Amino acid sequence: AQSVSQHNHHVILSEAASLELGCNYSYGGTVNLFWYVQYPGQHLQLLLKYFSGDPLVKGIKGFEAEFIKSKFSFNLRKPSVQWSDTAEYFCAVSFSGGSYIPTFGRGTSLIVHP
Amino acid sequence: NAGVTQTPKFQVLKTGQSMTLQCAQDMNHNSMYWYRQDPGMGLRLIYYSASEGTTDKGEVPNGYNVSRLNKREFSLRLESAAPSQTSVYFCASVAFRGLEAFFGQGTRLTVV
Repeated sequence: AQSVSQHNHHVILSEAASLELGCNYSYGGTVNLFWYVQYPGQHLQLLLKYFSGDPLVKGIKGFEAEFIKSKFSFNLRKPSVQWSDTAEYFCAVSFSGGSYIPTFGRGTSLIVHP
Repeated sequence: NAGVTQTPKFQVLKTGQSMTLQCAQDMNHNSMYWYRQDPGMGLRLIYYSASEGTTDKGEVPNGYNVSRLNKREFSLRLESAAPSQTSVYFCASVAFRGLEAFFGQGTRLTVV
């Protein structure tokens, strides 16, 4: 079965530090890729998405992600985090072989200290 | 534009009680999903409806049933609640397969 793995479960950073969160998936076919953010007590909101084209995609709030097809990866980056980025981050993949049902990783809890 | 609306936001049930979680979307989306979120487990799919009139099991369907009442509404029913069903439940909708999901605010359910 298709799966999504997030390697960092808990990340603690100081403000202005750089962030990279890993995401890998197991499927060789067509995929659509997403990162969602969940602020404390809130629902999931879309950060960015990749369907095709330029593998480096930019999202809201200064986040970006790079799709590396050969590595089955879609890592999320931000050059300089802020306290307000404290949240849980979820990688999600829609697989063509899985009827495009959104499949989520286990999430990464990010805490940014001021 | 309300997006995806879930009710209730909070609920406490006793073991064995039943309840229905309601979800409605006003974006004319085709597909709707129910997920549960547990610490360290991410979002796990309970049931989904790819289009009006169809429903299918997801990863963790046991103890749940669903109804796609019309294109707007997709309800989740717990027939006999168990403590293991204590969780946060999210409803989501997708306009067309492969596109991004829009989420409701969630229902925090506690079964005692």
